[in-house]
Amino acid sequence: AQSVTQLDSHVSVSEGTPVLLRCNYSSSYSPSLFWYVQHPNKGLQLLLKYTSAATLVKGINGFEAEFKKSETSFHLTKPSAHMSDAAEYFCVVSPGANNLFFGTGTRLTVIP
Amino acid sequence: KAGVTQTPRYLIKTRGQQVTLSCSPISGHRSVSWYQQTPGQGLQFLFEYFSETQRNKGNFPGRFSGRQFSNSRSEMNVSTLELGDSALYLCASRSGGNSYNEQFFGPGTRLTVL
Repeated sequence: AQSVTQLDSHVSVSEGTPVLLRCNYSSSYSPSLFWYVQHPNKGLQLLLKYTSAATLVKGINGFEAEFKKSETSFHLTKPSAHMSDAAEYFCVVSPGANNLFFGTGTRLTVIP
Repeated sequence: KAGVTQTPRYLIKTRGQQVTLSCSPISGHRSVSWYQQTPGQGLQFLFEYFSETQRNKGNFPGRFSGRQFSNSRSEMNVSTLELGDSALYLCASRSGGNSYNEQFFGPGTRLTVL
């Protein structure tokens, strides 16, 4: 069975401070893992993806995520938050079939 | 290259009616997937079409159906609408059929059922 757990429904950070959005997954197969971002009234945009290459994945806009198989985690980080980072973030697992399993999302608020 | 487009962007229907949503994928993309997004259930996979064939289906009742045309455009149909069908319906396309391929999402169609 496949599932994704985003441990925080809401994260609030000050501008310029680090961002950590946590994600744990469960998959019967070696999964592909993704982080997507959704800005208000917009579709989803891919931030980064892990597909069994390097465990530290760099994405767009300064985001990165580390795949830790022993902890079944794929946390998203950014060294310094920007106001434009305020959005909903989704951790996604693709177990090898052609559908995606989405986490429930983490709303990131950036305080000026 | 134009992105994924969905029409209409907003739709209001009443219970019992049916609705058809349209999705035009990025040029050259052969795979189209549909998702339902609601505050209560989050994002849920509906189905995927690849080269006019439904390749994968989520756990939704038979009232939800879809099809894909030879130009890869896809339509999704919901019959006998229920209040709980109110949601943002997202379409995504990708070039190949591999799960490694990035999915590109459209802006969605917001359906309200009264």
